[in-house]
Amino acid sequence: DGGITQSPKYLFRKEGQNVTLSCEQNLNHDAMYWYRQDPGQGLRLIYYSQIVNDFQKGDIAEGYSVSREKKESFPLTVTSAQKNPTAFYLCASSTDIVPGRGSPLHFGNGTRLTVT
Amino acid sequence: GQNIDQPTEMTATEGAIVQINCTYQTSGFNGLFWYQQHAGEAPTFLSYNVLDGLEEKGRFSSFLSRSKGYSYLLLKELQMKDSASYLCATGDRGSTLGRLYFGRGTQLTVWP
Repeated sequence: DGGITQSPKYLFRKEGQNVTLSCEQNLNHDAMYWYRQDPGQGLRLIYYSQIVNDFQKGDIAEGYSVSREKKESFPLTVTSAQKNPTAFYLCASSTDIVPGRGSPLHFGNGTRLTVT
Repeated sequence: GQNIDQPTEMTATEGAIVQINCTYQTSGFNGLFWYQQHAGEAPTFLSYNVLDGLEEKGRFSSFLSRSKGYSYLLLKELQMKDSASYLCATGDRGSTLGRLYFGRGTQLTVWP
């Protein structure tokens, strides 16, 4: 079955360490996204990529980095520069680079990152 | 950018009907999505509206008025499993192609 896989589901790290969250999709989607979700807040866009080897900053990109070397993969690195990294991270993809045309985002099951 | 507003919480009883409202302000509206998210899980797509009017899909319906910047999600014959957060999101035809803006979500609790 096609879908988006995020791993791991839970991740614990010490403050000051970089950590990479995995996101893989086999839906053949061009566009991929990383969102962060905090209690009481909407999904906030970190980075998105419309095509391989290209990506754009979202609203809260500071302290994060991404790469898009393959169509299927869009890993997110949370660096030590991110002031408040503890959150639920969601990866998504869509077949159309413009979701507003009716191509909905498909989400992975998320990674809950806890930094102490 | 976008300004999306929806109620934080709503409650209803099993078998009832509930309407979740969403208002938005956008520089270049390009459709409105509704997603359902159970706690700790991924959001799942419910509906998409780009033209004015009502779209019905089983127990769920979604309405859009572009002139009023307003949408609602209507859930009929509520079931316990409908307890979840409902997210409103809009697309943007402007310079930020390729992204959605999400509201904070409405937490719906269905009581027996």
